Amino acid sequence: SAVISQKPSRDICQRGTSLTIQCQVDSQVTMMFWYRQQPGQSLTLIATANQGSEATYESGFVIDKFPISRPNLTFSTLTVSNMSPEDSSIYLCSVDSGETQYFGPGTRLLVL
Amino acid sequence: AQSVSQHNHHVILSEAASLELGCNYSYGGTVNLFWYVQYPGQHLQLLLKYFSGDPLVKGIKGFEAEFIKSKFSFNLRKPSVQWSDTAEYFCAGPAHSGNTGKLIFGQGTTLQVKP
Repeated sequence: SAVISQKPSRDICQRGTSLTIQCQVDSQVTMMFWYRQQPGQSLTLIATANQGSEATYESGFVIDKFPISRPNLTFSTLTVSNMSPEDSSIYLCSVDSGETQYFGPGTRLLVL
Repeated sequence: AQSVSQHNHHVILSEAASLELGCNYSYGGTVNLFWYVQYPGQHLQLLLKYFSGDPLVKGIKGFEAEFIKSKFSFNLRKPSVQWSDTAEYFCAGPAHSGNTGKLIFGQGTTLQVKP
């Protein structure tokens, strides 16, 4: 299994600003992922954070809006840039370990 | 395209009632299916998973799910629910063929168990 922590746990931000979310895993993992859970909806995959190369984005998500860093095998960041109220969501980090995905507690973001 | 759908969006049961939540998937290739649970205020936890072998898989807290290939289904069951089972339940499968680890989730089912 894997234990994942995220910072911050929640934040309230003004539109037009950016927020960087951190994800820390207690063991080295090859694959890390970022998901979004909009209010009342299911989880949607944003991107795969690759160590040593650029992140791979899913359809509908772009690097300019959601830049991702993966400096090592236990850490990743997701930045939500130029935020609008539509970005209000829970952002979750996950890792693939032993053919199972484990999820962090999420970062609850409210954009005013 | 791969997809996972859940039939029931909101289920209300009394304690001791039996539970069955529907999940259908639509994709070919390797079939890896998961059920996750999200208790109020907590993060997503794995209930059970199916990769291969016995189509009836048992998970934590008395939950089980049956993979029926002919019906493209992976329904979650529990014979007798408890108030503490009140939560959001998500079915999930691979977002892309080849089991890259990326998941696609169903819409989720909110289960409310009345004491």
